[in-house]
Amino acid sequence: GDSVTQMEGPVTLSEEAFLTINCTYTATGYPSLFWYVQYPGEGLQLLLKATKADDKGSNKGFEATYRKETTSFHLEKGSVQVSDSAVYFCALSAKNRDDKIIFGKGTRLHILP
Amino acid sequence: EAQVTQNPRYLITVTGKKLTVTCSQNMNHEYMSWYRQDPGLGLRQIYYSMNVEVTDKGDVPEGYKVSRKEKRNFPLILESPSPNQTSLYFCASSLVGGFGQPQHFGDGTRLSIL
Repeated sequence: GDSVTQMEGPVTLSEEAFLTINCTYTATGYPSLFWYVQYPGEGLQLLLKATKADDKGSNKGFEATYRKETTSFHLEKGSVQVSDSAVYFCALSAKNRDDKIIFGKGTRLHILP
Repeated sequence: EAQVTQNPRYLITVTGKKLTVTCSQNMNHEYMSWYRQDPGLGLRQIYYSMNVEVTDKGDVPEGYKVSRKEKRNFPLILESPSPNQTSLYFCASSLVGGFGQPQHFGDGTRLSIL
């Protein structure tokens, strides 16, 4: 079945460091891919998405490119801030009706001032 | 403001005492879903609903019930809660089910079953 694998955390970085959180997926067909972010005490929020191969999703300085050849959707940010500390979830949704969203287990990110 | 509202946000209760967690969305979404979030396990889907009067089991439905009598509401019912249902619960909705639609999440309900 479909699945999402993302790097285990926690990831700890200093402010202004470069961030990469790896995400790979297994799916039949061509799913849509998402990154969600969960700030402390809150629900998940959509951070960015990509719906087809080579699409780049971007938001709030974060980027991720849909790589069909490597089945990956790695999240990157050039210069992280303390306010980026959160849990990040990679997810996929196949484009058929009734197909549910499959989430990775989440990666906790700590940014040190 | 478009939102998914869950109540209560926190609840401590005892084994066997029936409880209901309410979920309401104001976006006219067809699809609604319940998840539980546990350390090391990520998000697991409990039940989902493609539309009014249509509900289906997710990955971990045991011990839970749901109903979808109105489009906006999707309550989660624990008829006889047990300690293994202590968890953080999220309700979510999307315009339609599938088709690559992103989901909108509530702020969560933290349940502790003693």
